[in-house]
Amino acid sequence: TQLLEQSPQFLSIQEGENLTVYCNSSSVFSSLQWYRQEPGEGPVLLVTVVTGGEVKKLKRLTFQFGDARKDSSLHITAAQPGDTGLYLCAGDVSRLTNTGNQFYFGTGTSLTVIP
Amino acid sequence: NAGVTQTPKFRVLKTGQSMTLLCAQDMNHEYMYWYRQDPGMGLRLIHYSVGEGTTAKGEVPDGYNVSRLKKQNFLLGLESAAPSQTSVYFCASSSDSFQPQHFGDGTRLSIL
Repeated sequence: TQLLEQSPQFLSIQEGENLTVYCNSSSVFSSLQWYRQEPGEGPVLLVTVVTGGEVKKLKRLTFQFGDARKDSSLHITAAQPGDTGLYLCAGDVSRLTNTGNQFYFGTGTSLTVIP
Repeated sequence: NAGVTQTPKFRVLKTGQSMTLLCAQDMNHEYMYWYRQDPGMGLRLIHYSVGEGTTAKGEVPDGYNVSRLKKQNFLLGLESAAPSQTSVYFCASSSDSFQPQHFGDGTRLSIL
């Protein structure tokens, strides 16, 4: 059973289109991170959201943390081929459960932006 | 700019063989992690360490052992490799449990 479910699993769009990727859970997280992974490399952090309802922008990427801190979304405006990659969300429950590291990754969304 | 370095990058083993994957970080991070990545499963935590000399089990620890004898190194061992352990293994480090994790480029391991 996956603690964090991401949708869609695969997404192929044309350059210039907009898209939204979702990260959902029934658990509450003290923080949530978004990573991007390119083939043959490890994930690289894009952003961390901590407060329920928080919105962060990184150029054409907009990240939102749900009010209840159970879900998050990533919206990309005017996608470019350079946005191609695997997008992973990761939730931290360690400060809520006090059980040491409890860091869970989502299943990932594989995005392809066609020129 | 080494960051997190994993060795080897590729390895093919036969069922029953043993091997050790090495992870080294030069950022003086306390926390280190070993994950496996399989299609459709995302990243799953195998073991982690919150400091030199400490280790703890993650989500999928069976069949693996780890050691953190030095702060900068975190070793992942497979005592008797099984085909189900064919995967891409990633090591990561962070300064604290809720801080961003820095990943290596992965080790691609095939068990025949």
